[in-house]
Amino acid sequence: LAKTTQPISMDSYEGQEVNITCSHNNIATNDYITWYQQFPSQGPRFIIQGYKTKVTNEVASLFIPADRKSSTLSLPRVSLSDTAVYYCLVGGAGSYQLTFGKGTKLSVIP
Amino acid sequence: DTGVSQNPRHKITKRGQNVTFRCDPISEHNRLYWYRQTLGQGPEFLTYFQNEAQLEKSRLLSDRFSAERPKGSFSTLEIQRTEQGDSAMYLCASSPGGARNIQYFGAGTRLSVL
Repeated sequence: LAKTTQPISMDSYEGQEVNITCSHNNIATNDYITWYQQFPSQGPRFIIQGYKTKVTNEVASLFIPADRKSSTLSLPRVSLSDTAVYYCLVGGAGSYQLTFGKGTKLSVIP
Repeated sequence: DTGVSQNPRHKITKRGQNVTFRCDPISEHNRLYWYRQTLGQGPEFLTYFQNEAQLEKSRLLSDRFSAERPKGSFSTLEIQRTEQGDSAMYLCASSPGGARNIQYFGAGTRLSVL
């Protein structure tokens, strides 16, 4: 399973756009890139998944460059309720287990 | 609520006691997973079921741990002779399978072993 590296923590003011970058240099051809969000005392929640280029949903955007060795989760206009840990994972078809790192602890400041 | 349900939410036990947790997955999902999470760490995979078959177990799952999924519906995770090191959040997830492997997690059971 490809290993990912992401910042341990980030701070942002309310209303700003937040970009969290994840590096995954050893990503395999059939690996997807998936981001989860976790609040204290809750299970992780799926945010977004992509394979290449850009994916957008109602919550976030995911930017993936052509070489796929990194990805950036973009959260538009964050609010206090976006304070959470964000995990970047890579894995592909046939892999059943998710391998979580320590994630990025995002703190949104009023 | 059609999400993954875990019970109990909290469990306090004394060292040496046995505990059992229950997970009810999303009804149409045939895959079920258990993870363990300690403070400041991401969840760690424990075991995986496809329908009623337990297809994979992590080396983290010592012989004191056992998981079942009778009839391919709900699952139980039992820990025998609990130790203080077993204190953690135990998370259950389910998925419909497929290439994308998006898993949906419950809120977890927090175990405290005194």
